[in-house]
Amino acid sequence: SQQGEEDPQALSIQEGENATMNCSYKTSINNLQWYRQNSGRGLVHLILIRSNEREKHSGRLRVTLDTSKKSSSLLITASRAADTASYFCATTPTGNQFYFGTGTSLTVIP
Amino acid sequence: GAGVSQSPRYKVAKRGQDVALRCDPISGHVSLFWYQQALGQGPEFLTYFQNEAQLDKSGLPSDRFFAERPEGSVSTLKIQRTQQEDSAVYLCASSSGASGRGAKNIQYFGAGTRLSVL
Repeated sequence: SQQGEEDPQALSIQEGENATMNCSYKTSINNLQWYRQNSGRGLVHLILIRSNEREKHSGRLRVTLDTSKKSSSLLITASRAADTASYFCATTPTGNQFYFGTGTSLTVIP
Repeated sequence: GAGVSQSPRYKVAKRGQDVALRCDPISGHVSLFWYQQALGQGPEFLTYFQNEAQLDKSGLPSDRFFAERPEGSVSTLKIQRTQQEDSAVYLCASSSGASGRGAKNIQYFGAGTRLSVL
């Protein structure tokens, strides 16, 4: 019973292209976070956006948040082969309990 | 190292066997979480500790699952009488904050323990 869902489930692009993945969630949130997971590894925090923010940038990452639609998007610009991983959004509706989405598997072809 | 450490990395158990999975969080981190991740899925919340107190265990799938953090640092997730459906990666994460507000609730994950129940 996961809180969020990512879309698409899988994405394959050429190196240098931009990758966009979306996340929808169900309840009100304090903030939304994006994490990355390489195969066989733990998750690594990428970026956090608060519920009163609409857009945030970090390097080649751009995150948007639309609380009225309960959705967020993650854009990775100028993708690299090393960006190949699964990407998850996570919400914290209450306290510290984290709910992760189902993930988008990104493949960047060199 | 300074990150979250989990052991063992891989565990094979026969059905019915008890297993214990260990998590060493980042030193000084107040909050500790356990997650279960099935193949191709996102992590599912199991339980949360604030220091030694288990504040939320609503995600534990059955009474065969038990977690403890007796001294507020190292945590152990124990699964009794393992079943095949327990096969998954078990992830541990820690964070410095004790509340859900602000940047302090960024979680730092270990590499996980992959449990296979035969």
